[in-house]
Amino acid sequence: DVKVTQSSRYLVKRTGEKVFLECVQDMDHENMFWYRQDPGLGLRLIYFSYDVKMKEKGDIPEGYSVSREKKERFSLILESASTNQTSMYLCASSPPIHRQGDGYTFGSGTRLTVV
Amino acid sequence: AQTVTQSQPEMSVQEAETVTLSCTYDTSESNYYLFWYKQPPSRQMILVIRQEAYKQQNATENRFSVNFQKAAKSFSLKISDSQLGDTAMYFCAFTEPISNFGNEKLTFGTGTRLTIIP
Repeated sequence: DVKVTQSSRYLVKRTGEKVFLECVQDMDHENMFWYRQDPGLGLRLIYFSYDVKMKEKGDIPEGYSVSREKKERFSLILESASTNQTSMYLCASSPPIHRQGDGYTFGSGTRLTVV
Repeated sequence: AQTVTQSQPEMSVQEAETVTLSCTYDTSESNYYLFWYKQPPSRQMILVIRQEAYKQQNATENRFSVNFQKAAKSFSLKISDSQLGDTAMYFCAFTEPISNFGNEKLTFGTGTRLTIIP
């Protein structure tokens, strides 16, 4: 069964800490995404990557960075965590352009609390 | 900005009834894909159904079907014979371009929380 795996289901961090959220996919997908999910706001795109070492800003990149050193792994980095980054973070991957109709495969999410 | 609107934050229906979730979207693209995703309490996002904008025929997947009205930019989801396992958050989404290389992202609505009552 194909999978997108997020390393942590729940995470509690202190304000100012550097936080790494890891995502690994085993489907050989080119595209990977990080979304943030908040009640009443739906899912908002933070960053995406369509190739190794390639990254593009999404709709809400402020306060975040990403790393994609290998095709299967896409990391989201909170350089200095703040309380307004308390949220659910979802990683997803998708096949290349010609198969966009396949949609995304999602990880099961990381619920991050910054205290 | 291109948007997706789900005007029903919460809905509830009796088991075995039929329920329709509404979704409207705004895009200037001529071809795109539309999706309904389900997120149960387990938090795993599951693809329910998809529709390509060029296809006039409405998609169906077992008890799930859509009413796609391209001119009105409307994409509603109908769940027939609802079951307790249908209790979840439902998100409507569509593809839009995000790079010069032809890649696309999904833009999501704010979701509808559906509860099936035994």
